[in-house]
Amino acid sequence: GAGVSQSPSNKVTEKGKDVELRCDPISGHTALYWYRQSLGQGLEFLIYFQGNSAPDKSGLPSDRFSAERTGGSVSTLTIQRTQQEDSAVYLCASSSDIYSYEQYFGPGTRLTVT
Amino acid sequence: GESVGLHLPTLSVQEGDNSIINCAYSNSASDYFIWYKQESGKGPQFIIDIRSNMDKRQGQRVTVLLNKTVKHLSLQIAATQPGDSAVYFCASVSGYSTLTFGKGTMLLVSP
Repeated sequence: GAGVSQSPSNKVTEKGKDVELRCDPISGHTALYWYRQSLGQGLEFLIYFQGNSAPDKSGLPSDRFSAERTGGSVSTLTIQRTQQEDSAVYLCASSSDIYSYEQYFGPGTRLTVT
Repeated sequence: GESVGLHLPTLSVQEGDNSIINCAYSNSASDYFIWYKQESGKGPQFIIDIRSNMDKRQGQRVTVLLNKTVKHLSLQIAATQPGDSAVYFCASVSGYSTLTFGKGTMLLVSP
């Protein structure tokens, strides 16, 4: 079946602009996660959604970052007033529920802020 | 806070050799561990997992060993192949918290 998809695959933006990154999880998966991966680094947790519960936003680095998940499926990560340090690969993952640790990752969106 | 780190940033092996990738974790309450493989330009892919009540688990050509006494985790890959070249991450979790990932080890397999 279809895996997790993300769009765009690459995004180049100017400093100060807003960007939106999209994630389509695996159908039926109720848990969705966003991570950030900087060059040569591990994965930094940003936010997760589980069903209709309030999202865990504890990993968001600043109030310029926000995410929403509409209808329990597609999620959008928004970065406002982008800075050069926001340049990274943004990965989305989904799992069948929050109690399943086996997360399926999308290919990521490479964001470059110039 | 919890941290998960790897001993070697890069491991170079010859095709056919066995590879061992190590990982240390700091949270003694961690009760579940996962190894992920990430190929260039792709997202991480689940390889194998192990719960804290086990000390060894085997998959196809891979074995994970867990030593809770020294908070150490290793991934062994038998008969390493060029297709195994990738970055390998360990991740740990305590209770129902989110996964904490290590920085990763790059495995380079020479033919």
